[in-house]
Amino acid sequence: GDSVTQTEGPVTLSEGTSLTVNCSYETKQYPTLFWYVQYPGEGPQLLFKVPKANEKGSNRGFEATYNKEATSFHLQKASVQESDSAVYYCALRNTGYQNFYFGKGTSLTVIP
Amino acid sequence: EAAVTQSPRSKVAVTGGKVTLSCHQTNNHDYMYWYRQDTGHGLRLIHYSYVADSTEKGDIPDGYKASRPSQENFSLILELASLSQTAVYFCASSEPTPWGSQNTLYFGAGTRLSVL
Repeated sequence: GDSVTQTEGPVTLSEGTSLTVNCSYETKQYPTLFWYVQYPGEGPQLLFKVPKANEKGSNRGFEATYNKEATSFHLQKASVQESDSAVYYCALRNTGYQNFYFGKGTSLTVIP
Repeated sequence: EAAVTQSPRSKVAVTGGKVTLSCHQTNNHDYMYWYRQDTGHGLRLIHYSYVADSTEKGDIPDGYKASRPSQENFSLILELASLSQTAVYFCASSEPTPWGSQNTLYFGAGTRLSVL
């Protein structure tokens, strides 16, 4: 079946350092890949999505490249800020299907 | 701005009791979902619906029922609440996905359920 695996947390970083959250997926279909972010006390919200292989998505300084050959979609940010502290979810949705499949989430804490 | 509203925001229930979680959306979306969030498991799909008066099972439907009386409203029902159902529950809505078109999920703020 379809699945998403991402970096186990929690992750603690100092402000100004770089972030990588690994995400790999399994599916036999044609997925769109997503990164969602969840701030404390809120529901998850879309960070960005990439519908096509070998393309890059980005938002708020975060970026990820849809690598079809490696079945990966790693989230990166060059310099994190305290306001980036949140839980990050990698997800996929196959074309023509309505279900989303989420990873287990990675909790990020950025220390000033 | 898309809006999904959940009620209550938190609830304490007794084992064996009945619990109803409610969700209301003003997005005019056809699809609505119930997800469960647990530490170590992330977000897992319980039930979803693509039209009023119809619901579909997700990945973990056991112990849960769902009801979609209108396009705007979607409820999750725990007929006999158990300790293992203590979790945070999220409702979400989305537009349908024609082939080649992918839309996103809009989540509510969640309901924290504690079963004692």
